[in-house]
Amino acid sequence: AQKITQTQPGMFVQEKEAVTLDCTYDTSDPSYGLFWYKQPSSGEMIFLIYQGSYDQQNATEGRYSLNFQKARKSANLVISASQLGDSAMYFCAMREGGGSEKLVFGKGMKLTVNP
Amino acid sequence: EAQVTQNPRYLITVTGKKLTVTCSQNMNHEYMSWYRQDPGLGLRQIYYSMNVEVTDKGDVPEGYKVSRKEKRNFPLILESPSPNQTSLYFCASSTGGRSIQYFGAGTRLSVL
Repeated sequence: AQKITQTQPGMFVQEKEAVTLDCTYDTSDPSYGLFWYKQPSSGEMIFLIYQGSYDQQNATEGRYSLNFQKARKSANLVISASQLGDSAMYFCAMREGGGSEKLVFGKGMKLTVNP
Repeated sequence: EAQVTQNPRYLITVTGKKLTVTCSQNMNHEYMSWYRQDPGLGLRQIYYSMNVEVTDKGDVPEGYKVSRKEKRNFPLILESPSPNQTSLYFCASSTGGRSIQYFGAGTRLSVL
């Protein structure tokens, strides 16, 4: 079964608008971590934000916030005030418990910010 | 500057010619890992290492080898590359203890 699902293959947003990128996950482990990475056209993987399963508050990092809904098993990334430089692939990933450091990635989604 | 460095960034080779992709980190991280990225599949883990001389298979280890003789280095070895190993490869590292993984810039490999 797919553990990380990103159903939106692509999204378009106008510059300065907010955008939400969807991610749902599947795990029976009560301890896990959720990550978002950005991959611009140059190819590198850039860490954006992290949410632990026991964290009480939604994570925020500058213009990025994570809308964590544990009961729904969703971890949507919200980008406020989109910029042209936000155009990229975005990947949601999960690390399960049990001492494993392995990240399981979704298939990614492409965000295009229009001027 | 804290970073994960992969070399080479781009490589074109032929079937069966052994190659090594190097990965080095300067953050004294215990954990290092290799992933491959293929269109529509996201990233999949090839091998990982929890510390020096400790390595283990990930989800897609066939056709790859690794070694961890020093903490900072984690090379990926393709003994006999085949066209299905054409991919974008990433090395990542972290302090372990369920911390954030930082990725190298990637190595784009084409096997003809």
